[in-house]
Amino acid sequence: SQQGEEDPQALSIQEGENATMNCSYKTSINNLQWYRQNSGRGLVHLILIRSNEREKHSGRLRVTLDTSKKSSSLLITASRAADTASYFCATDQGYSTLTFGKGTMLLVSP
Amino acid sequence: SQTIHQWPATLVQPVGSPLSLECTVEGTSNPNLYWYRQAAGRGLQLLFYSVGIGQISSEVPQNLSASRPQDRQFILSSKKLLLSDSGFYLCAWSRYSSTDTQYFGPGTRLTVL
Repeated sequence: SQQGEEDPQALSIQEGENATMNCSYKTSINNLQWYRQNSGRGLVHLILIRSNEREKHSGRLRVTLDTSKKSSSLLITASRAADTASYFCATDQGYSTLTFGKGTMLLVSP
Repeated sequence: SQTIHQWPATLVQPVGSPLSLECTVEGTSNPNLYWYRQAAGRGLQLLFYSVGIGQISSEVPQNLSASRPQDRQFILSSKKLLLSDSGFYLCAWSRYSSTDTQYFGPGTRLTVL
């Protein structure tokens, strides 16, 4: 598959715990993006990390990028029930448009 | 600020009927526009994208078509729906290039019976 692939497919944690999701891709990229989708809604952009960056933060989100391993991780710290959603990575991988992975479904229980 | 609208929000159509989904963007000019389909529990499949009026690129051969009659209007159509056309359809736009950040509409849930 040419898509980014998220791992795990599903993750269930308790409020206050940290959630880590991973994304792997096949070819070289210019940037990698993470999106969130609440059930039945459109996707919302969370963060973009460029190929020359190794780590980026936004609030409780931390994204890392390892271009040598062709992988990225999204860490959500001190999770809340409102973080329950599906999370997708998207890459350009040299194509003219973004390719999205199949997503990780995160369930945060109160 | 920019806003993207999609309608209708939900649609139930019989097999063989036509389809027209509309997407409009406000607050920006010459956006790149996209139509995606998402099957239940799956990722996004890019159907069409457009970099300008009348310019449509098709990513997946199917019985769907797209048109961009105005700068900020993108329409997804079908002459005859199939059962396999059921899904969640998302419209999105980006500002500069088709690999930039994309901003999504609320989606249309289509059920073909």
